[in-house]
Amino acid sequence: SQTIHQWPATLVQPVGSPLSLECTVEGTSNPNLYWYRQAAGRGLQLLFYSVGIGQISSEVPQNLSASRPQDRQFILSSKKLLLSDSGFYLCAWSVQDSPNYGYTFGSGTRLTVV
Amino acid sequence: GQQVMQIPQYQHVQEGEDFTTYCNSSTTLSNIQWYKQRPGGHPVFLIQLVKSGEVKKQKRLTFQFGEAKKNSSLHITATQTTDVGTYFCAGRTSGTYKYIFGTGTRLKVLA
Repeated sequence: SQTIHQWPATLVQPVGSPLSLECTVEGTSNPNLYWYRQAAGRGLQLLFYSVGIGQISSEVPQNLSASRPQDRQFILSSKKLLLSDSGFYLCAWSVQDSPNYGYTFGSGTRLTVV
Repeated sequence: GQQVMQIPQYQHVQEGEDFTTYCNSSTTLSNIQWYKQRPGGHPVFLIQLVKSGEVKKQKRLTFQFGEAKKNSSLHITATQTTDVGTYFCAGRTSGTYKYIFGTGTRLKVLA
C-alpha cells in the first residue's frame, strides 16, 4: 500500500534561518507531488507541485523553493525564513495521469518562525 | 484566477441536528472533491463527484454536484461529535491536474 512520510512534525526556527522539509512517498511510482501551506484556522494554499523529477511549478511568489531530486522525494526549502512563513505545511501525492483520484496528505509540519 | 469559496465559514450545531456546507466556484469544474480535516490533523479524502447533478451518499453524508458544475454541497444528517472538523471542497478545471481548495467550513458539534 502507498504511504507518505513527512518530517519533522513540528519545528521552531528563528527568523533568517534556513529551512528544509522533506516528504517521501512509498508504494507508488511517478506520483504527482504537492506542497500546501495552511495558516492557523485558514484554508489550503498550493505552493508548489511537481509531475516528475526536476519538474517544479510554483504557484505563488515567495521566499520558498521546492525540489524533487528523486521520483518519490519532494523537498521544501528556504534560505532565510520570515515570520510570515509560519504555518502548517502539508505534502500530498496523487496518481499520475489520473485526475480522478483524491490527494493523500502527509501528517504535516507545524512551523513556527520566531 | 480560479476561486473556490465555501459557506458558512463556521457552524456550531447541537448533536443530532443536520449540517450543510456549500461550495461555489468562479469557473466551471471538471470534477470536485471533498475532504475532512480533524482538529490538529491533515485533510483526508472523502469523495469525488464528476457528473453534472451527481449525488453520492456515504452513510449520513450526502454530496451533490450542481447542474452547471460550478457548485457543490455536503449535507450531514443527524450530526455526531465525531463529525467535528473542517470540511474542504476542492475543484479542478479541465486541462489541469491541480485542485484548488475551498476556504473550508469548520464544524463544531455540541453534545
